[in-house]
Amino acid sequence: GAVVSQHPSRVICKSGTSVKIECRSLDFQATTMFWYRQFPKQSLMLMATSNEGSKATYEQGVEKDKFLINHASLTLSTLTVTSAHPEDSSFYICSAGPGSYNEQFFGPGTRLTVL
Amino acid sequence: GEDVEQSLFLSVREGDSSVINCTYTDSSSTYLYWYKQEPGAGLQLLTYIFSNMDMKQDQRLTVLLNKKDKHLSLRIADTQTGDSAIYFCAEIYNSNYQLIWGAGTKLIIKP
Repeated sequence: GAVVSQHPSRVICKSGTSVKIECRSLDFQATTMFWYRQFPKQSLMLMATSNEGSKATYEQGVEKDKFLINHASLTLSTLTVTSAHPEDSSFYICSAGPGSYNEQFFGPGTRLTVL
Repeated sequence: GEDVEQSLFLSVREGDSSVINCTYTDSSSTYLYWYKQEPGAGLQLLTYIFSNMDMKQDQRLTVLLNKKDKHLSLRIADTQTGDSAIYFCAEIYNSNYQLIWGAGTKLIIKP
């Protein structure tokens, strides 16, 4: 399958700062990228879907002004958590697709801790 | 709304077969998937099955699809300690390739 990278893998920041997470599709042109949030011992929560060159579509309850998503190219999407607070601490995972069987290829995730 | 359900835990002895079950509601899904997540990592696609198939086998993995009952299962033969992970069932949701996810089944291997 395709290789998707995320950077950074782990970030600790102070409350009130902004954090940018990059998601790169290394060997695959991703027309669609997805951002998920995963709480401990829980399933994935889809935050938003972004198509290259278009504005992201956010799921209900996800603040678009807080979680800024940019999908400027077929290989790069970024998620910026603005004015992060401790409740934003979580594991953020991106994925790219669709593959040949409409599957998504996942990045390794970014652990965000807001102090 | 559409839903995918799976049990949260499964415990098996090393060397036995593991069977992880999943039920789904959207009968129009073209593809269904099994993903594996190891601790602190992203998700890895294990296998998929197309909706017109009943079974798919890939080495130690066997996927069974019962469209009438909307039931999907993943059988792992000769379960090893390296199979310890959370296994997610997912189905295609819409034309934007979104997936509906189960809650994940944590597979625990007993020695």
